[in-house]
Amino acid sequence: NAGVTQTPKFQVLKTGQSMTLQCAQDMNHNSMYWYRQDPGMGLRLIYYSASEGTTDKGEVPNGYNVSRLNKREFSLRLESAAPSQTSVYFCASSYKTTSGSVSGAKNIQYFGAGTRLSVL
Amino acid sequence: RKEVEQDPGPFNVPEGATVAFNCTYSNSASQSFFWYRQDCRKEPKLLMSVYSSGNEDGRFTAQLNRASQYISLLIRDSKLSDSATYLCVVNPYYNQGGKLIFGQGTELSVKP
Repeated sequence: NAGVTQTPKFQVLKTGQSMTLQCAQDMNHNSMYWYRQDPGMGLRLIYYSASEGTTDKGEVPNGYNVSRLNKREFSLRLESAAPSQTSVYFCASSYKTTSGSVSGAKNIQYFGAGTRLSVL
Repeated sequence: RKEVEQDPGPFNVPEGATVAFNCTYSNSASQSFFWYRQDCRKEPKLLMSVYSSGNEDGRFTAQLNRASQYISLLIRDSKLSDSATYLCVVNPYYNQGGKLIFGQGTELSVKP
């Protein structure tokens, strides 16, 4: 079972370069998320997609764009990388939908292994 | 005030010790509560959900106090393999795509 797969695992960029982080899940989950994790800051939500065809901003969206390509895939794009975007990026998915009952189990998020990005 | 607050630690304990982590959350309408575990340089993984009546999974016990907006995790008979960062996680949003708020994490180091 692959679960949530992220590529690449490591990346070094120069300031101003662009790149796309890829994420795919094979659990038929409706919701997908992109986080960044920095020392002392915890996990911060960048963007999320509650369902196929929708995306919404999280806590720290500036400098990023996302695409929910289909139910399985959710990509994160850095158009012009900056040193402040050096971080570890995690993709996650969950079953939770925007309507219906609030079931704790459906809120559980499953994470990919992360992408370690350095911007020089 | 942060939405989810934890003591960052580190907690340094000997093998076999009992250790407790605390967490507070600010939104009284919060719906779901979890403890995640994160090993160094790895992704967070669900440790256990937290239910209002309290729940236990082996050596781990989670408690929720809605009146005080407080969550706890108790680890009994600590093992070396329990060394990790423990994240308190809350879903304060109803019908908003299942967004979760993560605490900064409490670091645990279990020594021989």
